Amino acid sequence: ETGVTQTPRHLVMGMTNKKSLKCEQHLGHNAMYWYKQSAKKPLELMFVYSLEERVENNSVPSRFSPECPNSSHLFLHLHTLQPEDSALYLCASSQAVGVSNQPQHFGDGTRLSIL
Amino acid sequence: GIQVEQSPPDLILQEGANSTLRCNFSDSVNNLQWFHQNPWGQLINLFYIPSGTKQNGRLSATTVATERYSLLYISSSQTTDSGVYFCAVEREWSGGSYIPTFGRGTSLIVHP
Repeated sequence: ETGVTQTPRHLVMGMTNKKSLKCEQHLGHNAMYWYKQSAKKPLELMFVYSLEERVENNSVPSRFSPECPNSSHLFLHLHTLQPEDSALYLCASSQAVGVSNQPQHFGDGTRLSIL
Repeated sequence: GIQVEQSPPDLILQEGANSTLRCNFSDSVNNLQWFHQNPWGQLINLFYIPSGTKQNGRLSATTVATERYSLLYISSSQTTDSGVYFCAVEREWSGGSYIPTFGRGTSLIVHP
C-alpha cells in the first residue's frame, strides 16, 4: 500500500468514448503527477500539479485533459483517444514541487487499451 | 534535456546470484531515485539517494554525483526481485520546479 490509489485498474474504450482516470492520495502531499508508460519506452511525465495548480504540461495532446480539484485528488479526462494512447497511466504524489529531496510515491496504475 | 542511461537493459539471474545495475546521467542533478516495478506494474520507491551509499536489506545503492552515475546492488537475488528497475534523476527546471526524468529501465528476471 503506497498511499496512492488509482481507479480503474483496467480500462478498455473505443476511440470516440469519453472516460476519466482517477487518482487519490492519502499522504498529505501537495504535488501530484501523471505519467504514461508505453512498452519499450521510458516513463513519460505528462502533467504536474502543485497545490491544485498545473506547473508543468509536457507537450501532451489536448485529448488528455487533467483536473486537480484539491491536493488529494487528480483526474485525467480522456476524449477521442488513438490506439497509440494504449499504455499504463501512473499517478504519483510527493510532498511538494520546487523543493528538492521529495521522493515520489506511485499508484498501481490504470492499464488503458484503446480499440 | 538531460539523458538518463541504464545498463544493462536486460538481465537474467539464477536465484542467489548478485548483480549490479548502473545509471548514468548526462548533467548535474539535484536528486536521484531508484524504483522497482514488479510484473504487475506496481512502482515502488527503493532509494532516494542524491549522493553517498544507502542499504536496505539485500539492496544497496551508491551515487557518485560528481561522476554522474549511480549503482544499485542486489545481493542473494530472489524470484520476487524480478521486474524492471528504473532510475530517475531530478534537476531544476525553469521556474524552480524539480521534475524527475526516468531512464528506460533494466528488466530483471530471476529464475528459481
